[in-house]
Amino acid sequence: SQQGEEDPQALSIQEGENATMNCSYKTSINNLQWYRQNSGRGLVHLILIRSNEREKHSGRLRVTLDTSKKSSSLLITASRAADTASYFCATDEYGNKLVFGAGTILRVKS
Amino acid sequence: GAGVSQSPSNKVTEKGKDVELRCDPISGHTALYWYRQSLGQGLEFLIYFQGNSAPDKSGLPSDRFSAERTGGSVSTLTIQRTQQEDSAVYLCASSLSRGINEKLFFGSGTQLSVL
Repeated sequence: SQQGEEDPQALSIQEGENATMNCSYKTSINNLQWYRQNSGRGLVHLILIRSNEREKHSGRLRVTLDTSKKSSSLLITASRAADTASYFCATDEYGNKLVFGAGTILRVKS
Repeated sequence: GAGVSQSPSNKVTEKGKDVELRCDPISGHTALYWYRQSLGQGLEFLIYFQGNSAPDKSGLPSDRFSAERTGGSVSTLTIQRTQQEDSAVYLCASSLSRGINEKLFFGSGTQLSVL
């Protein structure tokens, strides 16, 4: 099953610009996580936001969570070519197993 | 090892053959997941082990798929009578506990190609 749906499916920006990706989900959650995937293999955890939090920062990453709208956004500021990757949101469906969305492909052009 | 280890990294098999994929989680991690990712797609949940609890098998696509986790550590995903649509990257991930705020650590995956 897939819980989260990312939007847009693909995003192409210039180096230095900001990139915003959105995620919507369907069930109640305890937390929402964002992961990055390079080259179609293992994913790397970026940031976790709890259901009682509204915003969280980590370096150039900013995540917001709106539980009333069941949505989250990931903002990458001052993007770099190395940020080129696929980005996935994941939610603990009903506080249980972690389910991933379809992902956003980000391309940062230098 | 320091991370989640999966083997083999690549597997080519003929349609109808059985395959076994192995996952070695991080030592001490009690939660273990298997996901499947087809080319250019998102992650499809397959199965979830947590400690000694009965696994959540709700994502297994058919009865040709099974998984076990021995001794709360190593896990094996078995696909019987493989079909071409089984071709995908199979990803394993582990986390420290079932804690609701635990992040997953992923292996590099097994690329399965069914000819």
